[in-house]
Amino acid sequence: AQRVTQPEKLLSVFKGAPVELKCNYSYSGSPELFWYVQYSRQRLQLLLRHISRESIKGFTADLNKGETSFHLKKPFAQEEDSAMYYCALSRVRSGGYNKLIFGAGTRLAVHP
Amino acid sequence: DTAVSQTPKYLVTQMGNDKSIKCEQNLGHDTMYWYKQDSKKFLKIMFSYNNKELIINETVPNRFSPKSPDKAHLNLHINSLELGDSAVYFCASSQDGTGYSPETQYFGPGTRLLVL
Repeated sequence: AQRVTQPEKLLSVFKGAPVELKCNYSYSGSPELFWYVQYSRQRLQLLLRHISRESIKGFTADLNKGETSFHLKKPFAQEEDSAMYYCALSRVRSGGYNKLIFGAGTRLAVHP
Repeated sequence: DTAVSQTPKYLVTQMGNDKSIKCEQNLGHDTMYWYKQDSKKFLKIMFSYNNKELIINETVPNRFSPKSPDKAHLNLHINSLELGDSAVYFCASSQDGTGYSPETQYFGPGTRLLVL
């Protein structure tokens, strides 16, 4: 079964510290993975997607097929990074329709 | 120029009532979705419509009935509300939603439903 696991419910760090939010997936096909972020009282929005291989707001994520992971990293956390982060897997259903499967989310709290 | 909008933002109602949540997108997207975010912040898809046709229907009680009058709107009607329906409901849209290319989904601000 397709599944996305984010093992940490809460990650608490100090400003300037490195951050790694873990995401592991289970999928028999070729995975397409995303990170979405939800800032306090705001809507969920795309942070980055693995096929773009980009860095957004200093965050990067590398797909590691051997470890089935897509961890989100940032070398120096900022207070404005405090938010809820969701890892998501895009799964193609029969008939060709895409479906996003979300992990449970990790709350990142960056303290001054 | 909000891309995906939902009304109402907050909804407080009694058990047993029927309520609707509306969603509109002005992005010209073909596919719209409804998600439920529970009290533990877990986000799960409920329904998806592509050009007014239902394409994803997860295991959701049939008290929940989505309706898409046109491809820019996807409303969610809930009958006989129960305590367990209390959650934040998010609408989202994507360009196509079909095919084999993963797409970014754009989310609405959410509707916080509280059933008393």
